[in-house]
Amino acid sequence: NAGVTQTPKFQVLKTGQSMTLQCAQDMNHEYMSWYRQDPGMGLRLIHYSVGAGITDQGEVPNGYNVSRSTTEDFPLRLLSAAPSQTSVYFCASRPGQDSKQPQHFGDGTRLSIL
Amino acid sequence: AQSVTQLGSHVSVSEGALVLLRCNYSSSVPPYLFWYVQYPNQGLQLLLKYTSAATLVKGINGFEAEFKKSETSFHLTKPSAHMSDAAEYFCAVRINTGGFKTIFGAGTRLFVKA
Repeated sequence: NAGVTQTPKFQVLKTGQSMTLQCAQDMNHEYMSWYRQDPGMGLRLIHYSVGAGITDQGEVPNGYNVSRSTTEDFPLRLLSAAPSQTSVYFCASRPGQDSKQPQHFGDGTRLSIL
Repeated sequence: AQSVTQLGSHVSVSEGALVLLRCNYSSSVPPYLFWYVQYPNQGLQLLLKYTSAATLVKGINGFEAEFKKSETSFHLTKPSAHMSDAAEYFCAVRINTGGFKTIFGAGTRLFVKA
């Protein structure tokens, strides 16, 4: 059971480039989310999805897009990378939006924007 | 706005000493509460959770936390620190604010001295 898988693990981009961070889960979880982790700020919610075809914005959505065409996958797109988007990105999933269950996290994607 | 405050960005204890990591939250409705641990270059792993059952919650690796509604606190403790406990710890609150979103504290890095 792989859980939540994120690719790539590391990425360096130049300002203005675009890229997609991949996230896949094999637990049939309805709820998936993307966070960014910055020193001293904990995890901040970027976007989330309560099921296939449904997405919504979190706390810091600007500069990012998401889509949810299947239950398993929840990619995060950076449209035009900026140095302020240098961060560690985590994808997480849980059974449902109102579930009492904790979130399962991937190992993260470390992204540097030059 | 809902918030989570972790007192102390860094905590240092000696091996064998008591570990106490503090977490206070603001919420006008009963929350779900979680503690996660993050080891270097890894995602977050669940330590324990409170979901309105017993107020004293036991987790993995000898950790426990007590939900105190009157103090809006959910402090994490372990009677005897081990070197392997050195990591970053995050307190998180899940509240229904038109959708069950999880809010994370800024994190506390625990150092364990030999």
